Amino acid sequence: DADVTQTPRNRITKTGKRIMLECSQTKGHDRMYWYRQDPGLGLRLIYYSFDVKDINKGEISDGYSVSRQAQAKFSLSLESAIPNQTALYFCATSDGQSYEQYFGPGTRLTVT
Amino acid sequence: QKEVEQNSGPLSVPEGAIASLNCTYSDRGSQSFFWYRQYSGKSPELIMSIYSNGDKEDGRFTAQLNKASQYVSLLIRDSQPSDSATYLCAVKGLETPLVFGKGTRLSVIA
Repeated sequence: DADVTQTPRNRITKTGKRIMLECSQTKGHDRMYWYRQDPGLGLRLIYYSFDVKDINKGEISDGYSVSRQAQAKFSLSLESAIPNQTALYFCATSDGQSYEQYFGPGTRLTVT
Repeated sequence: QKEVEQNSGPLSVPEGAIASLNCTYSDRGSQSFFWYRQYSGKSPELIMSIYSNGDKEDGRFTAQLNKASQYVSLLIRDSQPSDSATYLCAVKGLETPLVFGKGTRLSVIA
């Protein structure tokens, strides 16, 4: 089984809808991250969490919110989706020693 | 704004050759450096991490770090068509999460 899982893998939604992307991990890592990837713009950090009670904004947090329900679960919400949030979204985890990040398979989100 | 710069490519090399991928970074306090490989439509996969100046080898891959020049590179020996992918450089500063470069697209021609 994969160490980092994301659901759903693909999602098409309409402008204005609320949507939640979920991430779970079995690596036992404390740190979890949400990124989006757009062609030509690379990976951009949305939010990150170093433990259950710690949430930090990344480079592009506007329009997004997160919830760290447990050490192993980190959810990303789009409160009111807009077309420019169409992107590939990745969850990642790391420990606090090596800082190596391990990525989930990604969610392809399309907002129409 | 901490920056990580990579040549976007594509870098084309013949099969069996050495591919050399380069990365520069702006944060002089950076401590940890990583190379990821990403196939189209897939997630980034960690290839190498390097923390101190010099070379680190793992199979066909060698990472090179020069903190004074703020430069990190990845060499791929005996390049194979299966190495064709986008390679992402990532850098961690003292107080910041990883910052990723936009990646270099490598094409290995059979």
